[in-house]
Amino acid sequence: QIQLVQSGPELKKPGESVKISCKASGYTFTDYAMHWVKQAPGKGLKWMGWINTYTGKPTYADDFKGRFVFSLEASASTANLQISNLKNEDTATYFCARRVIRVGFDYWGQGVMVTVSS
Amino acid sequence: DIVLTQSPTTMAASPGEKVTLTCRASSSVSYMNWYQQKPGASPKLWIYGTSKLASGVPNRFSGSGSGTSYSLIISSMETEDIATYYCQQCCSTPNTFGAGTKLELK
Repeated sequence: QIQLVQSGPELKKPGESVKISCKASGYTFTDYAMHWVKQAPGKGLKWMGWINTYTGKPTYADDFKGRFVFSLEASASTANLQISNLKNEDTATYFCARRVIRVGFDYWGQGVMVTVSS
Repeated sequence: DIVLTQSPTTMAASPGEKVTLTCRASSSVSYMNWYQQKPGASPKLWIYGTSKLASGVPNRFSGSGSGTSYSLIISSMETEDIATYYCQQCCSTPNTFGAGTKLELK
């Protein structure tokens, strides 16, 4: 069955970096784009961008340009999100989600809670 | 960027009641997707392509709309429908979400 399994919760200090992984199984990884979505505590969903899993090309929403990097380990069917120079406002749950063209985000990871606190 | 405005922000419905959630786009979109999210869980694709139900979604749910105005309709509210519902346009970058409608039980 199709699954997106994300790495575990993270507790970081301001200024540190974090890398979150999203391991896909049950389908051909390179056939579908992987998107990233942020959800701050008690808030709604915010689209961060996506990565073309075939070419590795990332696309970032404006609010996520600069400190955020999407990458792949295609041989391991894994997409990664790295956030550098963490700020308190990065405290959130980060989801990866597979996108099917003309359908939407049909499978989601379980989410990774990143807490930034001094 | 296309802004999606959902209304109401919160609503309470009684079991058996008909529920209509609305999503308005700042510019015309080809179609709308809807997601259901329950507390502590990942969002689930609920309705795609404006009116198609995702796998496993009860047929008391339906979707409609075009252009800048879209709706998610529950014909008869059930307790398991308590959740937050988000609309999303995925045809124009950024793939924006609405702020969500929290559906509660009256």
